[in-house]
Amino acid sequence: EDKVVQSPLSLVVHEGDTVTLNCSYEVTNFRSLLWYKQEKKAPTFLFMLTSSGIEKKSGRLSSILDKKELFSILNITATQTGDSAIYLCAVMEYGNKLVFGAGTILRVKS
Amino acid sequence: DTGVSQDPRHKITKRGQNVTFRCDPISEHNRLYWYRQTLGQGPEFLTYFQNEAQLEKSRLLSNRFSAERPKGSFSTLEIQRTEQGDSAMYLCASSLRGTGAESSYEQYFGPGTRLTVT
Repeated sequence: EDKVVQSPLSLVVHEGDTVTLNCSYEVTNFRSLLWYKQEKKAPTFLFMLTSSGIEKKSGRLSSILDKKELFSILNITATQTGDSAIYLCAVMEYGNKLVFGAGTILRVKS
Repeated sequence: DTGVSQDPRHKITKRGQNVTFRCDPISEHNRLYWYRQTLGQGPEFLTYFQNEAQLEKSRLLSNRFSAERPKGSFSTLEIQRTEQGDSAMYLCASSLRGTGAESSYEQYFGPGTRLTVT
């Protein structure tokens, strides 16, 4: 059965810290890996990764995919309280349906 | 605001009643997805449409659930004879369809409909 596992399940840091969120997957028909941020509403899109080793960046967030080892990481530098959210990793299969992990709950304390 | 809208945002119903939710995708998106999310879990895939054709249904979608996208634009998800276990956030997402074997497009989610079955 297809599986996406995120770690840690939750994390508490102080403003200014750097965090690394992990996502490993076992999916039969992999197309791409996506990261979403979810506050008290629907997930908002962060990144889509299709190729190994190519880092994607957006401001203080960056992400990279390793298709050989079947994992991805999401880095957030200089964290702010507004980064507090659930971060979801999802793998897109052929047919484009997404298989999600359970998420990492990040809390940034001021 | 991603441009995907859902209605209603909240629904409270009694066990055994039928409910219907609506999703309006981003206008140029030809793929539309339904997911269900319960507390502490990531969204789980239910079904998806390409234009008006329903191409895949999850085994989570029991025969009490039905989804339509009659004109390839908005979609409805109906749950008949609701049960307490149906209480969840129902999310709709839309995307473009890839034109090549390797192309894929990100999915944009609507705000969700939170269903509470009492």
